[in-house]
Amino acid sequence: KAGVTQTPRYLIKTRGQQVTLSCSPISGHRSVSWYQQTPGQGLQFLFEYFSETQRNKGNFPGRFSGRQFSNSRSEMNVSTLELGDSALYLCASSLDAGPETQYFGPGTRLLVL
Amino acid sequence: AQKVTQAQTEISVVEKEDVTLDCVYETRDTTYYLFWYKQPPSGELVFLIRRNSFDEQNEISGRYSWNFQKSTSSFNFTITASQVVDSAVYFCALSGVRSNDYKLSFGAGTTVTVRA
Repeated sequence: KAGVTQTPRYLIKTRGQQVTLSCSPISGHRSVSWYQQTPGQGLQFLFEYFSETQRNKGNFPGRFSGRQFSNSRSEMNVSTLELGDSALYLCASSLDAGPETQYFGPGTRLLVL
Repeated sequence: AQKVTQAQTEISVVEKEDVTLDCVYETRDTTYYLFWYKQPPSGELVFLIRRNSFDEQNEISGRYSWNFQKSTSSFNFTITASQVVDSAVYFCALSGVRSNDYKLSFGAGTTVTVRA
């Protein structure tokens, strides 16, 4: 079974631009979570989607948003990029509702210049 | 609030040595899940183990073993006879069980370097 896939793998943007990252969960998984990893803050939870609904949200500004489609694929968007948004963005999928094990994708490395 | 502390930032060992990674957690919940993930240089987080708060049995999987002690809020991880391929960053994580708390709260990670 294919794992979690994320596109693109690498991205370079400039301040003020916006970016959209994509995540395809493991087949059959209905929950998708997003995390940001930076050297200073470590791994931080962004949001979680289940059945096209945002169920949980971390402590990030409104510039960070996401959505989930009917096929469970998810996208996250960051508007008005700041230098501090440079990070590895990791997507994770889990089977169902509930505290299931989350399986992670390879991440999208975003560099904001 | 949930909090995970991994006090060891970096550990360096010679191949075949054992290495133990400490993890201490804080939560007000009586039911919760604990996890360990491995992050090799490629960046992908690889799931290693999940343990619920009611199961305090130690677990062994090959060269990996985990010691869960609820009394001290610790969930330590030991790699026996380490190998160069074990070099990675290891994260301990905690999750609640309520629908608004399924997110993983991660520790800062411990970088393990195994030298040949």
